[in-house]
Amino acid sequence: SQTIHQWPATLVQPVGSPLSLECTVEGTSNPNLYWYRQAAGRGLQLLFYSVGIGQISSEVPQNLSASRPQDRQFILSSKKLLLSDSGFYLCAWMKRDSWGYTFGSGTRLTVV
Amino acid sequence: GNSVTQMEGPVTLSEEAFLTINCTYTATGYPSLFWYVQYPGEGLQLLLKATKADDKGSNKGFEATYRKETTSFHLEKGSVQVSDSAVYFCALTENSGGSNYKLTFGKGTLLTVNP
Repeated sequence: SQTIHQWPATLVQPVGSPLSLECTVEGTSNPNLYWYRQAAGRGLQLLFYSVGIGQISSEVPQNLSASRPQDRQFILSSKKLLLSDSGFYLCAWMKRDSWGYTFGSGTRLTVV
Repeated sequence: GNSVTQMEGPVTLSEEAFLTINCTYTATGYPSLFWYVQYPGEGLQLLLKATKADDKGSNKGFEATYRKETTSFHLEKGSVQVSDSAVYFCALTENSGGSNYKLTFGKGTLLTVNP
């Protein structure tokens, strides 16, 4: 069966520090991968998506970046965090030509 | 572009009450529609879906019917339980072909059910 792992579950980082959140998928190949952010009172915002290794599309300009070094690995990064980067970050995967998104359990990031 | 509008809440109900959470959408093509649920501190789980007009999605006592004429996908449950307390998200993705499907979400509706 397919599973998605996302870590860490919670993270408190100072302003200006770097960030690396990792997401891996097991039990499938060539998935579409997505990073969403859920800010308080603002719903879910798509940040990045990837349809293949090394292929990253950005939805919202910001100081975050994403990479996909392996087929089932998706990384969200920042060189210098801002207070506004605080939120709940969700990774998701989708099997090609299907309608089912599966979400990870999320990372709650607090920038202080 | 695509958009989803859902009632913002919060919605507070007593156990066994009837639930309706309204959701309307705007899309250029022929979207598939979804309801996701997020329990406290967790990620999102697919609750139900409908892929074409007049389809009814159902799961765990929840139902929603894809109404193309009113561009709506309202979520209903006849008798809510305390365990249904969560945030509910309406979402759509378009049948636009290609290999990528992006979900567009509403802002979410917080439901609290009191015993």
